[in-house]
Amino acid sequence: AQKITQTQPGMFVQEKEAVTLDCTYDTSDPSYGLFWYKQPSSGEMIFLIYQGSYDQQNATEGRYSLNFQKARKSANLVISASQLGDSAMYFCAMRDSSNTGKLIFGQGTTLQVKP
Amino acid sequence: ETGVTQSPTHLIKTRGQQVTLRCSSQSGHNTVSWYQQALGQGPQFIFQYYREEENGRGNFPPRFSGLQFPNYSSELNVNALELDDSALYLCASSLEDTLYNEQFFGPGTRLTVL
Repeated sequence: AQKITQTQPGMFVQEKEAVTLDCTYDTSDPSYGLFWYKQPSSGEMIFLIYQGSYDQQNATEGRYSLNFQKARKSANLVISASQLGDSAMYFCAMRDSSNTGKLIFGQGTTLQVKP
Repeated sequence: ETGVTQSPTHLIKTRGQQVTLRCSSQSGHNTVSWYQQALGQGPQFIFQYYREEENGRGNFPPRFSGLQFPNYSSELNVNALELDDSALYLCASSLEDTLYNEQFFGPGTRLTVL
């Protein structure tokens, strides 16, 4: 069965430092996509970064990078140079070819950036 | 380019009532998915509509139903509301129903059932 696990309920990071948010996934489908979303207290889910199962290189989008380790089934999000505005809930999500419309989300990690 | 919009923002209903939530997809997007997010949890997939047809459904009872219109906007209807239906309901649109297209989310409708 498809599953996303985020084991860190909450994380703290000092402003301007880097932080890694963990995500492991489980699927038997060789074709899948991994996504990270940010959800501020306002509730809207903001897309951050995408990694495809066949992508050879780790995805990067500005200060966000995805550390994709396929054999370990992990897709950790790295945020460099943290900013106060990064304080939010972060969700890892997966979609596979058995149901392309369905995003499966993890439980989320609350990140707090300290000044 | 207009993003995904949802209405209403907040809604309070009593148990047993019916509710309709609305979503306008991002311009050019023909696929809409609905999610339920209980407090402190990740969103759970309810169903998806692709070109006006239901195209996948999560583990939700039949009292959760939906529609997609020719302009690709969508409605989520919930009948016989229960207390556990209290949640943030998120709508997301994407360009096509493919594995690689990201879904763009609206701001959500917060439903409270008393």
